[in-house]
Amino acid sequence: ETGVTQSPTHLIKTRGQQVTLRCSSQSGHNTVSWYQQALGQGPQFIFQYYREEENGRGNFPPRFSGLQFPNYSSELNVNALELDDSALYLCATPDRFTGELFFGEGSRLTVL
Amino acid sequence: RKEVEQDPGPFNVPEGATVAFNCTYSNSASQSFFWYRQDCRKEPKLLMSVYSSGNEDGRFTAQLNRASQYISLLIRDSKLSDSATYLCVVNKGTGGYQKVTFGTGTKLQVIP
Repeated sequence: ETGVTQSPTHLIKTRGQQVTLRCSSQSGHNTVSWYQQALGQGPQFIFQYYREEENGRGNFPPRFSGLQFPNYSSELNVNALELDDSALYLCATPDRFTGELFFGEGSRLTVL
Repeated sequence: RKEVEQDPGPFNVPEGATVAFNCTYSNSASQSFFWYRQDCRKEPKLLMSVYSSGNEDGRFTAQLNRASQYISLLIRDSKLSDSATYLCVVNKGTGGYQKVTFGTGTKLQVIP
C-alpha cells in the first residue's frame, strides 16, 4: 500500500479534447511528480510540485499543466489532446530521505 | 546520450538460470539509485535500492560503481514469477526537489 491513489484508472478521449487526471497522497507527502509512460518505454518525467508550486519540469509542451492543492492532492491537465498522448500517466511521491518513489496505479489514457 | 541507459532486451532465460542486467547513467551528481520492477500494464514497484557497498535481497543482488557510473542487477535461480520489466532509476535530488530519471527498462521472460 503506497498511500497514492489515482483517478480515473482508464479513460478514452478524442483528439483536441482536454483531460484532467487526479492524484491523492497521504498527508505529509508534499512533493508529487507526474510521469508519462508510452507503451514499451520507461516513464518520462512531466513535472513535479512541491508545496503547491512547480519546481521541476521535463521536456513536455505547455499544454501539459498541473496543480497541487493544500491537502497534497494533485491534478495533471492536458489540453488539445494528440494521438501520441495515449499512455499510462503515473503520479508518485518520494521519500525525502531515501529518494524512493511511491507510485499510484496510474491512469491509462487512450486518445482516438 | 540518454541520462540512463539500459539494454531493452528481451532476455529470455530458462527457469533456474542466472541473469544480469546493466545500466549506465551520465550525471555524476546522481545521489540515489534503484531497481524497480514493472509488471505488464501495472505501475512500477520498488525492487531494491542500490548502494556502493552492494546489497543482496534473497536471489537478487544489486551493485553500484560510482566511478564507472554503472549499476547492475543479478537474479539467481530465476522463477517464472520474475518475468517482468526491470527499470533502472537514478535520482539526483534530495528533500523537496527530486530529479528522477528512468531507464527504458529491460524485459525479462523466464521460460519453463
